[in-house]
Amino acid sequence: NAGVMQNPRHLVRRRGQEARLRCSPMKGHSHVYWYRQLPEEGLKFMVYLQKENIIDESGMPKERFSAEFPKEGPSILRIQQVVRGDSAAYFCASRLQGGSTEAFFGQGTRLTVV
Amino acid sequence: EDQVTQSPEALRLQEGESSSLNCSYTVSGLRGLFWYRQDPGKGPEFLFTLYSAGEEKEKERLKATLTKKESFLHITAPKPEDSATYLCAVVTSGTYKYIFGTGTRLKVLA
Repeated sequence: NAGVMQNPRHLVRRRGQEARLRCSPMKGHSHVYWYRQLPEEGLKFMVYLQKENIIDESGMPKERFSAEFPKEGPSILRIQQVVRGDSAAYFCASRLQGGSTEAFFGQGTRLTVV
Repeated sequence: EDQVTQSPEALRLQEGESSSLNCSYTVSGLRGLFWYRQDPGKGPEFLFTLYSAGEEKEKERLKATLTKKESFLHITAPKPEDSATYLCAVVTSGTYKYIFGTGTRLKVLA
């Protein structure tokens, strides 16, 4: 049973380009989270999605960032017009339907903006 | 505001020297508390879920406990391979998002 799959593992973008990060949840998981982690800092919540719905995007910047989790296919975190400050590790997690079940994380995408 | 605080920030132990990591939380209502381990360059790896005060979970050299205000991760006779950052997270009533502490960086010396 494959875990949470994220790709690419490493992504280099020039300032002003777009970054698209993909996350395939564990089999049977219908809830997806995106987190951002800067070096020596904790995981910061960005967005929580269920299939075809954004449940909570309170941690996501209003400008340039968007996320989706379509009926078919992976969840996508999209960052438009990237800036140096967007450089970070972005982690996706998934969990089963229901209450406070544990979330399982992918290995992350490390975005570097040059 | 819901908050999770972990201490110490960093801990160095000799192999075999037992210790405890602390996670204190201030939340409106606790739905669950979670411990994760994160190795450098990797994603967090799930360790334990605790739901109510008095609950305990064990796995190999690790034991997690929960009170109404804090959780402890006890490490018994640690080995160098236990070196990692240990993260604590809570999910509060009425939400489904995981709020993380900043972690404890554990280094176990041979």
